[in-house]
Amino acid sequence: SQQGEEDPQALSIQEGENATMNCSYKTSINNLQWYRQNSGRGLVHLILIRSNEREKHSGRLRVTLDTSKKSSSLLITASRAADTASYFCATGHRDDKIIFGKGTRLHILP
Amino acid sequence: SQTIHQWPATLVQPVGSPLSLECTVEGTSNPNLYWYRQAAGRGLQLLFYSVGIGQISSEVPQNLSASRPQDRQFILSSKKLLLSDSGFYLCAWSVLAEGTSYNEQFFGPGTRLTVL
Repeated sequence: SQQGEEDPQALSIQEGENATMNCSYKTSINNLQWYRQNSGRGLVHLILIRSNEREKHSGRLRVTLDTSKKSSSLLITASRAADTASYFCATGHRDDKIIFGKGTRLHILP
Repeated sequence: SQTIHQWPATLVQPVGSPLSLECTVEGTSNPNLYWYRQAAGRGLQLLFYSVGIGQISSEVPQNLSASRPQDRQFILSSKKLLLSDSGFYLCAWSVLAEGTSYNEQFFGPGTRLTVL
């Protein structure tokens, strides 16, 4: 079963603009993680935010978590062509299970 | 440093044939291990996860099975493949960081399976 639902499904923006992707989930979580996948490759972990945290930064990435709304957002600032990829949110649970959403396909236009 | 290996990288199999995909992890002990499937253009579907040798949890009832014969080896199998088994199979590992309640997953390069 899938828990996270990313929004939008696909996003195209101009290089240099900011990209925002959202994730909603249904049940309680221990943490929420964001991953990136380049076409045909494995996933790469980007950032993890714990259930008791509200915001986290890593380089050009900013993640927020609102447990009352069961939602998270990933912001990529000053986008680059190399940011073109699919981005997945994943919820971490007490039983060590990690459940992924369907992903957002991000395309950075030159 | 830890590394995760998956093989083969690509596989083309006829319907009804058996399947065996292998995943091994190096540089860590007692990892949690996961098998995911990703259909073309879709998200990841958790198939199996294991918290220890011989301990397998199945998330989706289907014709696939998983085994963990050794601490750092995870095998995905099928006795008879279906067309719907085509997809990109990813293995991942994680270790619960001491004193924390979270685990980050590290993914292998994946196996692209085409069932004809």
